[in-house]
Amino acid sequence: AQKVTQAQTEISVVEKEDVTLDCVYETRDTTYYLFWYKQPPSGELVFLIRRNSFDEQNEISGRYSWNFQKSTSSFNFTITASQVVDSAVYFCALIDLTGRRALTFGSGTRLQVQP
Amino acid sequence: NAGVTQTPKFRILKIGQSMTLQCTQDMNHNYMYWYRQDPGMGLKLIYYSVGAGITDKGEVPNGYNVSRSTTEDFPLRLELAAPSQTSVYFCASSTGYNSPLHFGNGTRLTVT
Repeated sequence: AQKVTQAQTEISVVEKEDVTLDCVYETRDTTYYLFWYKQPPSGELVFLIRRNSFDEQNEISGRYSWNFQKSTSSFNFTITASQVVDSAVYFCALIDLTGRRALTFGSGTRLQVQP
Repeated sequence: NAGVTQTPKFRILKIGQSMTLQCTQDMNHNYMYWYRQDPGMGLKLIYYSVGAGITDKGEVPNGYNVSRSTTEDFPLRLELAAPSQTSVYFCASSTGYNSPLHFGNGTRLTVT
């Protein structure tokens, strides 16, 4: 069974601070895919990144970076120099090759960036 | 491209009423999904489909039904609405099971 845990329910930072959102996952499969999605206050869901289980390279995209560590079953997301526009709920999600062919989402972390 | 279109955007139902949430996509995606998002919670899978004519239950299918007669459309039927079905419903589609999901804008449903 696949499971995603986002233990941080809400984080509040001041603009320009760095912030890391934690994601811990469980799966019995050796092949799986991890995702991050952003849900801004307007409510839509926006895809940010996908990582497969065979690619442990960290990813950087502008102010966003992702740290994938199979040894700790974690796929953490860091925002550098946060901005007010980063305020949103962020979801981590997992899919593996067993069970349902659909993403399992974590409960999300609400990030508030104060000016 | 319109992407994934959900209608209606908002709906209020009385307990025991029924309704259909519409979802259509114009990207020729085989995979389609229905999720619900309760306040402060993540998304829970209701039903999904890997192609026309094929549907399967997700984590929380009770009280719902789906059909997939065409690639484009994946309606979600609520029978005998209950207050526990008050939620925001998202439809999504993708090219494959491990591909990013394209989400609709959601339907906010209140059952009173």
